[in-house]
Amino acid sequence: SSEVSQPPSVSVSPGQTASITCSGDNLGQKYACWYQQKPGQSPLLLIYQDDQRPSGIPERFSGSKSGNTATLTISGTQAVDEADYYCQAWDGHTAPFGTGTKVSVL
Amino acid sequence: EVQMVQSGAELKEPGESLKISCKGSGYSFTTHWIAWVRQMPGKGLEWMGIIWPRDSDARYSPSFRGQVTFSVDKSVTTAYLQWSSLKAADTAIYYCARQADSGLDSWGQGTLVTVSS
Repeated sequence: SSEVSQPPSVSVSPGQTASITCSGDNLGQKYACWYQQKPGQSPLLLIYQDDQRPSGIPERFSGSKSGNTATLTISGTQAVDEADYYCQAWDGHTAPFGTGTKVSVL
Repeated sequence: EVQMVQSGAELKEPGESLKISCKGSGYSFTTHWIAWVRQMPGKGLEWMGIIWPRDSDARYSPSFRGQVTFSVDKSVTTAYLQWSSLKAADTAIYYCARQADSGLDSWGQGTLVTVSS
């Protein structure tokens, strides 16, 4: 079973801000990263090392961490952002994924 | 361009063995861990473990240790995931991905493994 928890779903209106949390024991001592997965596609890395964005990822995606909770924020959410989002907690030895959050843009 | 290209879909019967592959290209194969990730039908991502191609040092998630085996062939820049005796519960999509900067930055297209009698 996953050691990292996320809310099952988040709903957001177009243009608004969506926030997805990721909580786990000792997450504060690990690096958090975030992935987006659309139906039928492989996951895409959005954020690594808590708050770093790979090249090519839109600036509306940002990451932060406070204590044992990491947060992915999508600012100005667009319809194309409707997808499943997963966090991952990396400590150099193991890297469990979170339970996943389905973001609906309504 | 970094690419991870996986082998095609497999249909197997319970008890059979299987080895699927993941070929890395466009980067130095021996300087990045390769991870394996399972996604069961309609479910989330599960981290199975990682392997260091330079010396085949493998680290398994407790959930998968003893159930699967990771290996690599540096000469063909390919990583492998194998089972000695498949079960119906192994039916899933299996992804390989390159580990970089504490994140999986390049993913294969996934290999669908179906185990059914």
